[in-house]
Amino acid sequence: EDKVVQSPLSLVVHEGDTVTLNCSYEVTNFRSLLWYKQEKKAPTFLFMLTSSGIEKKSGRLSSILDKKELFSILNITATQTGDSAVYLCAVWYGGATNKLIFGTGTLLAVQP
Amino acid sequence: DTGVSQDPRHKITKRGQNVTFRCDPISEHNRLYWYRQTLGQGPEFLTYFQNEAQLEKSRLLSDRFSAERPKGSFSTLEIQRTEQGDSAMYLCASSLDWVRGTEAFFGQGTRLTVV
Repeated sequence: EDKVVQSPLSLVVHEGDTVTLNCSYEVTNFRSLLWYKQEKKAPTFLFMLTSSGIEKKSGRLSSILDKKELFSILNITATQTGDSAVYLCAVWYGGATNKLIFGTGTLLAVQP
Repeated sequence: DTGVSQDPRHKITKRGQNVTFRCDPISEHNRLYWYRQTLGQGPEFLTYFQNEAQLEKSRLLSDRFSAERPKGSFSTLEIQRTEQGDSAMYLCASSLDWVRGTEAFFGQGTRLTVV
């Protein structure tokens, strides 16, 4: 069965810490992997990763994909309280169906 | 606002009533998706449309659920004879056709509470 697994399920850090969130997947016909940030509303898009080993970066956030080992990581450096959210990993797959499969998310709490 | 919009944002209904939600995707997006999200879980796929054609429905979508996208623009999701287990956030997303995968943008969701 196709699945996306995220770890840890939750994480509490202090402002200024660096965090690494993990996403592993078992998906047939993998197309790309996406990261979203979800506060108390809809998920907002962060990154889309299609190729292995190419880091995507946006400010203090960065992400990379390993298609051989079937995982991705999302790094957040110098965390701020505004980074507190659920971070969702999702995978597009192709073939006969076209949909995003989501993991359960990692709940990040950044304490002042 | 040119993003995905959903209406209503919140809906409280009594068990057994029918409810209908609306989603307006980003105008040039021909793909539209419905997801359901419960507390502590990631969004679960319900169904998706390419233009007006409904191409896939999840097993989660029981006979009480129906979705339409009559003109390939906005979409509606109807739940008949609501049950307490239907209480969730219903999310709509849209995207372009993709070759190697493209971003899907989400609306703000409709939070349904069945009492």
